[in-house]
Amino acid sequence: DIVMTQSPDSLAVSLGERATINCKSSQSVLYSSNNKNYLTWYQQKPGQPPKLLIYWASTRESGVPDRFSGSGSGTDFTLTISSLQAEDVAVYYCQQHYSIPFTFGQGTKLEIK
Amino acid sequence: EVQLLESGGALVQPGGSLRLSCAASGFTFSSCAMSWVRQAPGKGLEWVSVISGSGDSTYYADSAKGRFTISRDNSKNTLHLQMNSLRAEDTAIYYCAKVMVTNAYGPVDFWGQGTLVTVS
Repeated sequence: DIVMTQSPDSLAVSLGERATINCKSSQSVLYSSNNKNYLTWYQQKPGQPPKLLIYWASTRESGVPDRFSGSGSGTDFTLTISSLQAEDVAVYYCQQHYSIPFTFGQGTKLEIK
Repeated sequence: EVQLLESGGALVQPGGSLRLSCAASGFTFSSCAMSWVRQAPGKGLEWVSVISGSGDSTYYADSAKGRFTISRDNSKNTLHLQMNSLRAEDTAIYYCAKVMVTNAYGPVDFWGQGTLVTVS
């Protein structure tokens, strides 16, 4: 199984500041035939289902504010929120869908400092 | 507008069975793989199973293999999860999730609100 490890487990950032969450996979999730990284980022607010933010590692979902961006390839990925807003308080998860089972990271809890 | 409405969650005794359903609307159901993901109380997300758009391919987490069966009825736009031999550790919210692509290997782009399964 591919193990997904997020860091940090929790993060407190001031409003307007940058937040960075890392996700590392135990093996590459880059599919060479189409050059796509099978890595997705989700946001989950309390009492709500997860919401898609970023897919194929760096493609922002329609309607997601452009302060959210994803980067990385192979085994190392980053979700960046360029200027933290109050509504960004949530738990963020990465997931690989390169190989079965499609594993999630443990989640990163983002709070306001 | 995409909608996924789960049903079937309940309180069940260990060793019991339960069938979850998910009614889908607002998209071409047969063109999308569908998945079940669960979340135990206060815990993270755990992928459970996925089925291709045609229903020909199904995959399971080790925790579900041999006990759970995913299926779909494309004529009724409905996804199911038959859960047998339930254990206390299966207690969770079960989310129905729409996959962006027809085969199983794609991101989930929409989640239902979830249905609670309690095994006790």
